[in-house]
Amino acid sequence: GESVGLHLPTLSVQEGDNSIINCAYSNSASDYFIWYKQESGKGPQFIIDIRSNMDKRQGQRVTVLLNKTVKHLSLQIAATQPGDSAVYFCAENMGSGYSTLTFGKGTMLLVSP
Amino acid sequence: DAGVIQSPRHEVTEMGQEVTLRCKPISGHNSLFWYRQTMMRGLELLIYFNNNVPIDDSGMPEDRFSAKMPNASFSTLKIQPSEPRDSAVYFCASNSDMNTEAFFGQGTRLTVV
Repeated sequence: GESVGLHLPTLSVQEGDNSIINCAYSNSASDYFIWYKQESGKGPQFIIDIRSNMDKRQGQRVTVLLNKTVKHLSLQIAATQPGDSAVYFCAENMGSGYSTLTFGKGTMLLVSP
Repeated sequence: DAGVIQSPRHEVTEMGQEVTLRCKPISGHNSLFWYRQTMMRGLELLIYFNNNVPIDDSGMPEDRFSAKMPNASFSTLKIQPSEPRDSAVYFCASNSDMNTEAFFGQGTRLTVV
């Protein structure tokens, strides 16, 4: 029979469009957040991070927004390119004093040329 | 630096056999993490070491799983006996300080038949 698996939310965009990927985190005590990109067959790669004392942080073509009131993170990618196609994960540090990260389920970004 | 190095990249084994996954963290990093990734459950933290000492193993699924870190440059994750439901991609990651990004290896894809 058909296997039941995790169906990742998928965002499909055209090359050159701006992409916004959203994430809801679980722990109001979390004080550090990271976005990772995972390409097929590879490990997650760091994109950008933000600490809880900030609302916004910008990198090269990427911006992360943090809304602590509703426990929401977003990743904005400007001028999306085919090479941006991957699964994107948000991760939170649970504020335990240790380094462990808890990952969200991920969003698949598909960029069409 | 070559990054986090995992071996083997792929492992196929029969149910009941012992499986050992290996990880070399980035030199100078004092925290090491083992994660498991499946379609059903996403990325799950199995165990976390700090300065070679296991800090949190609450994610280890059962007694069949064990992990060691005999020195700062090497860790193993062992499954004995292996079962088909252990099939997944196992990632090792390391970082150097609290509240910083973790660097991931390429993963070991384990298939238990």
